[in-house]
Amino acid sequence: AQSVTQLDSQVPVFEEAPVELRCNYSSSVSVYLFWYVQYPNQGLQLLLKYLSGSTLVKGINGFEAEFNKSQTSFHLRKPSVHISDTAEYFCAVTYLGGYQKVTFGTGTKLQVIP
Amino acid sequence: DSGVTQTPKHLITATGQRVTLRCSPRSGDLSVYWYQQSLDQGLQFLIQYYNGEERAKGNILERFSAQQFPDLHSELNLSSLELGDSALYFCASSVGGSSEGYEQYFGPGTRLTVT
Repeated sequence: AQSVTQLDSQVPVFEEAPVELRCNYSSSVSVYLFWYVQYPNQGLQLLLKYLSGSTLVKGINGFEAEFNKSQTSFHLRKPSVHISDTAEYFCAVTYLGGYQKVTFGTGTKLQVIP
Repeated sequence: DSGVTQTPKHLITATGQRVTLRCSPRSGDLSVYWYQQSLDQGLQFLIQYYNGEERAKGNILERFSAQQFPDLHSELNLSSLELGDSALYFCASSVGGSSEGYEQYFGPGTRLTVT
């Protein structure tokens, strides 16, 4: 069964500092990987996704993520965070093809400190 | 605005009751997904429909059911409600399935409170 692990439930970081949010998944087959962001009192929206090709994926709001197949990871990074990045971030994975559901991680709350 | 609409925004009801949550997907999207988000369980996938047919099932209780109508809107029915069903219920839609790489667009959610 596919699973997604986000080890950090909360990450406090000072404004303009870099941040990395970690995501690991378990799968022995090819996967698609997504990062979603949830701002307070809102639904989730897509930040970026990896389907194939370059392992470095760039998304909206200056975020990027790197797919590492050998380590089954898809960590999210931003070189300089802003107060407006305060939100909860979810990593999600689904199998390539078939009718498999998408599995979300438990989320990481990013708190940007002024 | 994702283009996905959900009604109602808030719902307060008593234990044992039945409620229906409604979702209208983005124009052109054929897939609809339902999720439950609570503090203790996190974001849980419930069920997916594609063009009117059930495509994938997640952690959906037997007391819950869903359907997608010919106009592609979807309803999630929750019955014999318990206090633990209090949560935020999200609907999402996509052109195809997530297993084909299509991203999901989430609605604003329905907050259900069971008293």
